[in-house]
Amino acid sequence: NAGVTQTPKFRVLKTGQSMTLLCAQDMNHEYMYWYRQDPGMGLRLIHYSVGEGTTAKGEVPDGYNVSRLKKQNFLLGLESAAPSQTSVYFCASNRGVGQGEETQYFGPGTRLLVL
Amino acid sequence: AQSVTQLGSHVSVSEGALVLLRCNYSSSVPPYLFWYVQYPNQGLQLLLKYTSAATLVKGINGFEAEFKKSETSFHLTKPSAHMSDAAEYFCAVSDNTGGFKTIFGAGTRLFVKA
Repeated sequence: NAGVTQTPKFRVLKTGQSMTLLCAQDMNHEYMYWYRQDPGMGLRLIHYSVGEGTTAKGEVPDGYNVSRLKKQNFLLGLESAAPSQTSVYFCASNRGVGQGEETQYFGPGTRLLVL
Repeated sequence: AQSVTQLGSHVSVSEGALVLLRCNYSSSVPPYLFWYVQYPNQGLQLLLKYTSAATLVKGINGFEAEFKKSETSFHLTKPSAHMSDAAEYFCAVSDNTGGFKTIFGAGTRLFVKA
């Protein structure tokens, strides 16, 4: 099992460019999440999904869009990148809720620098 | 709304000393509570979790945490620090209302001195 993987690992964008971050999990998890991590602020939830074809907004959704067309993949898009979106992005997934299924498994992160 | 407060952005202990990382939470419903650890340039990994069973929860690497409802706290402890414990630790709270959103604290960086 690869667990949760993220592509790319590092990216530099210019202001206004667009890009898509890919998260893939091979654990058949229902729930998937995108977070951003900034110094001194912990992890903040951007968007999440409770199953294939569903998405919902988290704490800081502005400037991002997501899609979950396949259960194993969760895509995070930046339509017009801004310097404020410079951050480390983490994807996570968990099986469900109850009976020990709440533990989230995290990917290794994507470092994004917007100039 | 849920929230998590971690007291102290940096904690420094000597090797062999007690580790105590503080976490207070706010939740309108019975919460799920977690401690995650992050080593440099890695993702987060679960240390332990509370899901309404025993209030004293034991995790990996000798860590444990006690859920105290009256104090709305979930402090993390380890009797004897090891150099390999140096990392950043995050407390998190979730509830089972619509999507199991998890709110993370700002994190506490633990330094271990030889």
